[in-house]
Order: sequence, then structure tokens, then C-alpha cells
Amino acid sequence: GENVEQHPSTLSVQEGDSAVIKCTYSDSASNYFPWYKQELGKRPQLIIDIRSNVGEKKDQRIAVTLNKTAKHFSLHITETQPEDSAVYFCAATQGEYGNKLVFGAGTILRVKS
Amino acid sequence: SAVISQKPSRDICQRGTSLTIQCQVDSQVTMMFWYRQQPGQSLTLIATANQGSEATYESGFVIDKFPISRPNLTFSTLTVSNMSPEDSSIYLCSVDFWAGDGHTDTQYFGPGTRLTVL
Repeated sequence: GENVEQHPSTLSVQEGDSAVIKCTYSDSASNYFPWYKQELGKRPQLIIDIRSNVGEKKDQRIAVTLNKTAKHFSLHITETQPEDSAVYFCAATQGEYGNKLVFGAGTILRVKS
Repeated sequence: SAVISQKPSRDICQRGTSLTIQCQVDSQVTMMFWYRQQPGQSLTLIATANQGSEATYESGFVIDKFPISRPNLTFSTLTVSNMSPEDSSIYLCSVDFWAGDGHTDTQYFGPGTRLTVL
């Protein structure tokens, strides 16, 4: 089955700096890769996603890149702000036609002001 | 996206008892899922709730421990049976929602149920 590894487990950046979180997946048939942000005590919120037919997607300060050959994808946050502090989870679908998501272990992002 | 609610939002239960968690969506959805999130951990899929048929369980989860109902396209329940302190977790439902780009694999989560077992 699918296995998703996420690095780093914690990341501290200065406000205004960029943050990058990386994930690798094992199932070459996976075709959908969402990113979720979870603030303390809240539900995971979808912040951006990418499909296997696209190499990069951007939404304001957030971007995701996908390298299907290497089976890894990354979340990029530019101009970080204190409200970006949260736990971020990457995920990948299990198989080409699956709706089931397998999640990475999560990254605690701290933005210091 | 869909509006998803869960009841209860939290509960404290005694070991050996059972708790049923409800998940309600404001529109019809094909796929509903139940996840467990242990303290400080990631999300682990328990099962997929299928409308009109038995749920599909992931490895390590069994129907006797986590019976699931899905009576219609907007509602599902998860029961945590014969609870022990190890069952203390956040339980979240999620739904697949039409993303508007031809795909239905965009998942949105309910607010979660925080369960503490004493």
C-alpha cells in the first residue's frame, strides 16, 4: 500500500522568510496530492492540492510542486506570517482510482515574529 | 465545500462502555470516511462508510470494535465499542466533495470528536 513520508517534523522560521515542507510517496499510481493545515484544536483544512498531470500549482503565498519521476512533492510558503503557524499534513491517494488518502506524519511550523 | 457537523464535539467515557459519533453533511456525498487522530499524531483512516452496504475497514480496524452505519447520502455514525484508555483520540469524519474540475476526491473534514476514556 501507499506510504507517505514527510520532512521535517518541525520547522521554525522568522516572519517573512519562506518555509518548505517535503513529502515522498511510494505508490507510483497515486494521482492526487492534497495539503492540509491544522491549527490547535481545529479540523484539518485543505489549503492546496495538485494532481499528477500538473507539475506546479500556486495560490497567493502558497505553492505546491510535484515530481512524479522522483515521487515527491513539496509545499512552499512565502512571506510567512505568525498565522501560518500550525501543523501541516501532506497526503496521497492510495492507487490511481482510489479516494482513500494516506497522510504524512505532519510538520509543526512555527513562525517567529 | 460542504458543511460538515459532528456530535458530540467531546466526551469523557468510562472503560467498557460504547460511544456513537454522528456525522452530518448538508448535501449528498458519495464517499464518507472515518479517521482517528491520536494525540500529537497524524490522521489514520479507520474505514470508508458506504451508503447501502457494509463499511470497508482498513488494516488494524475491525467492525466489532468500530461499527459504522451509513443510512443515506448525508449521514453516518461511528461507534467506538468496549472502550479502553487506548481509544482516547480525536475521531474525524470526512467527505469527498465535487471539486468542480471533474474530480470527486477532494476531502473535507468535520470538526472532530475528542474522546477521553477513563
